[in-house]
Amino acid sequence: NAGVTQTPKFRILKIGQSMTLQCAQDMNHNYMYWYRQDPGMGLKLIYYSVGAGITDKGEVPNGYNVSRSTTEDFPLRLELAAPSQTSVYFCASRETDRGRARAQPQHFGDGTRLSIL
Amino acid sequence: AQTVTQSQPEMSVQEAETVTLSCTYDTSENNYYLFWYKQPPSRQMILVIRQEAYKQQNATENRFSVNFQKAAKSFSLKISDSQLGDTAMYFCAFMKASGGSNYKLTFGKGTLLTVNP
Repeated sequence: NAGVTQTPKFRILKIGQSMTLQCAQDMNHNYMYWYRQDPGMGLKLIYYSVGAGITDKGEVPNGYNVSRSTTEDFPLRLELAAPSQTSVYFCASRETDRGRARAQPQHFGDGTRLSIL
Repeated sequence: AQTVTQSQPEMSVQEAETVTLSCTYDTSENNYYLFWYKQPPSRQMILVIRQEAYKQQNATENRFSVNFQKAAKSFSLKISDSQLGDTAMYFCAFMKASGGSNYKLTFGKGTLLTVNP
């Protein structure tokens, strides 16, 4: 019953460093998402994917990259870390709708708290 | 583009009492889903309740219920018999469900609910 797993849980980076936030789901969901949550705010969409090999930008994609080589994994890459990227990052996944069925929610990981100093 | 507004940044309620959290949204879509997510201090995003726009009946989940007013674009959450464990940030979220949707969530800024003993 792993669901959506994010690693690491916490990380401190120096300005200009790069890192990859990992996200894996074991529910065979086609849709996957990366959000960031700044203090006192709701979540904002960074990137999303509707299936393996397909990714697209969300509201706040600048400074990030993603890839989706498998259904299970959706890593988020920060190339040149900046203080503005200090945030909590959430990965989520969602099952495909089947007709006019009940609304399928997004399932979230526990988040990665990232500080850039 | 869709927007979600939660006009109450903070609310408090006494244990065992009832509280209502407000949410309004703006959209030109006719087919969509609405969600309330709870984020306790542990930072997890937990689904509380969901509503399909095509359903007139208000959703209920145990002590949680919604008042969905489609024409007014309002989606309030009522918590009955409040418990200390209900203390959390509550987010209202919108999901477009029309054909070609990427099913991304648009979040409000959240309402911090404190349940007092």
